[in-house]
Amino acid sequence: DQQVKQNSPSLSVQEGRISILNCDYTNSMFDYFLWYKKYPAEGPTFLISISSIKDKNEDGRFTVFLNKSAKHLSLHIVPSQPGDSAVYFCAASDNDYKLSFGAGTTVTVRA
Amino acid sequence: DAMVIQNPRYQVTQFGKPVTLSCSQTLNHNVMYWYQQKSSQAPKLLFHYYDKDFNNEADTPDNFQSRRPNTSFCFLDIRSPGLGDAAMYLCATSDSGNSYNEQFFGPGTRLTVL
Repeated sequence: DQQVKQNSPSLSVQEGRISILNCDYTNSMFDYFLWYKKYPAEGPTFLISISSIKDKNEDGRFTVFLNKSAKHLSLHIVPSQPGDSAVYFCAASDNDYKLSFGAGTTVTVRA
Repeated sequence: DAMVIQNPRYQVTQFGKPVTLSCSQTLNHNVMYWYQQKSSQAPKLLFHYYDKDFNNEADTPDNFQSRRPNTSFCFLDIRSPGLGDAAMYLCATSDSGNSYNEQFFGPGTRLTVL
């Protein structure tokens, strides 16, 4: 039972434009959400997170938005750079030391 | 740099031949996890250790076992690998004192079963 879903397996965006990655979840007990970035042949690395008590968190070019009523979060990357080409995983936690992951979205930034 | 290390990075084994994957960490985190990830799928948690306490996921096959001899090391044993066990295996750690549950991942071991 997939509790975290990333319905877009891939996204192609031109350099300098905005990348928007979407994530939906079903478990209303999730209270913390994270985005991970993964390059080929490397493990996922933490990118940005948001607590359920907030609706926005910003870190440089990366902003995560949370809509609890819709059980939806999104990651915005502005402006997109070639080094942003990677797989992005959405993850969620209900404070039991475990994360539930989505299947990932592969982002390709075109020059 | 503090990190999570996995060895080997690539492992080839024969159908039914036991294999052990290893993970070590210099972060001194008390929680360690093993995930299985197949192509284009979400990482699937197999089990985790909270300190010395082993926590198995309900749907983890009995074929998969784990050992954590000390804080720094954790092993994944696959007793009789089948073709369906070919996957990337990711080790991760976290500090239970961190309420944000950020997990730190190793680079993974890609397992091929012939």
